[in-house]
Amino acid sequence: DTEVTQTPKHLVMGMTNKKSLKCEQHMGHRAMYWYKQKAKKPPELMFVYSYEKLSINESVPSRFSPECPNSSLLNLHLHALQPEDSALYLCASSQDLGRQGGEAFFGQGTRLTVV
Amino acid sequence: GENVEQHPSTLSVQEGDSAVIKCTYSDSASNYFPWYKQELGKGPQLIIDIRSNVGEKKDQRIAVTLNKTAKHFSLHITETQPEDSAVYFCAAGHSGAGSYQLTFGKGTKLSVIP
Repeated sequence: DTEVTQTPKHLVMGMTNKKSLKCEQHMGHRAMYWYKQKAKKPPELMFVYSYEKLSINESVPSRFSPECPNSSLLNLHLHALQPEDSALYLCASSQDLGRQGGEAFFGQGTRLTVV
Repeated sequence: GENVEQHPSTLSVQEGDSAVIKCTYSDSASNYFPWYKQELGKGPQLIIDIRSNVGEKKDQRIAVTLNKTAKHFSLHITETQPEDSAVYFCAAGHSGAGSYQLTFGKGTKLSVIP
């Protein structure tokens, strides 16, 4: 099983709303990631969690708030977003193989539209 | 930080021909180089990867080569089929604390013409 599951698949939210994106994996991976992908662009790294601790925050605005409740779950809490935040939000996970990381597997993404 | 250049941005080939996509990277600390295929409306799918201690890796019709000295790696797809049509991304990264920080190239839109 190499599946990373993201919910919801689509989300439309107003600029004053609060919503959350969810990601789940049961591969025993201890690193989980959030990426943002705009249309016709490559994925851009937002956050990295390693062993449930935030290890990388790529200068993401505070209106995006990640959370890793346990080793299988990753959330992205959204508040007061702007229309330019509309994008495909991708979750990924990878295994720690000691001195080298394992392959990173991506979910299908949440298509977010901010109105 | 890492910078990954990918060429070409679009590539059209006849079914059965080969396709080659090339990437260069800037950070000599990068030691992991995956390739992803992304179809419309879907997340990126890992198709092959290579680590810095290996020069070449093959999986059926797909192969990847790595030249660490030149900081250059390439994806080769042989006997292309219409279902190979997609956007392909190369990426480069190095591991730290059990995770990877990947930087992606800008992507290549591959069209296989039946």
